[in-house]
Amino acid sequence: DAGITQSPRYKITETGRQVTLMCHQTWSHSYMFWYRQDLGHGLRLIYYSAAADITDKGEVPDGYVVSRSKTENFPLTLESATRSQTSVYFCASRDTINEQYFGPGTRLTVT
Amino acid sequence: GIQVEQSPPDLILQEGANSTLRCNFSDSVNNLQWFHQNPWGQLINLFYIPSGTKQNGRLSATTVATERYSLLYISSSQTTDSGVYFCAGNQAGTALIFGKGTTLSVSS
Repeated sequence: DAGITQSPRYKITETGRQVTLMCHQTWSHSYMFWYRQDLGHGLRLIYYSAAADITDKGEVPDGYVVSRSKTENFPLTLESATRSQTSVYFCASRDTINEQYFGPGTRLTVT
Repeated sequence: GIQVEQSPPDLILQEGANSTLRCNFSDSVNNLQWFHQNPWGQLINLFYIPSGTKQNGRLSATTVATERYSLLYISSSQTTDSGVYFCAGNQAGTALIFGKGTTLSVSS
């Protein structure tokens, strides 16, 4: 299907575990983003990527790692999950006129 | 950084009513979008509207860039319009800065 997809949609993990959230888009958009949504904070940018092999930090990057070896994929890894990383994670991509489109989100719970 | 303020924070309507949601920016933006977050959590693009007026069915939006605000109009509201409405903008084309949203509840 065309568009932007995320997997898994729901994940429960334990403190200290490594977790990878996947994001895939079929539009060949250059820019991709990871946001987290928390009550009281709204959506905040974690990392973004301007193209394959080009990534940069956003507002809240600590504890996260990203990579982008292919244009269509932008995985987000929590190297050692903490309870404060319990959140809803959204991946997004941006078209050539700067409009951003969001994936369905991944609800992550760290116990 | 840019601050985004949305009003009202909450809105309760009867089906068929009209409403206006407002978004104010602390600084000028090059990109402005409106989203609807439905009860399942999905963020649905409503409008990309850095300036001017657009309409899509019962929804329309107007952005007055020189005065740094945008309005979202919902006419003849339906229960399926319930959810949270966000506006978001940026200057440099990277991170969108989101407002806290307006929570709309439409009852039949």
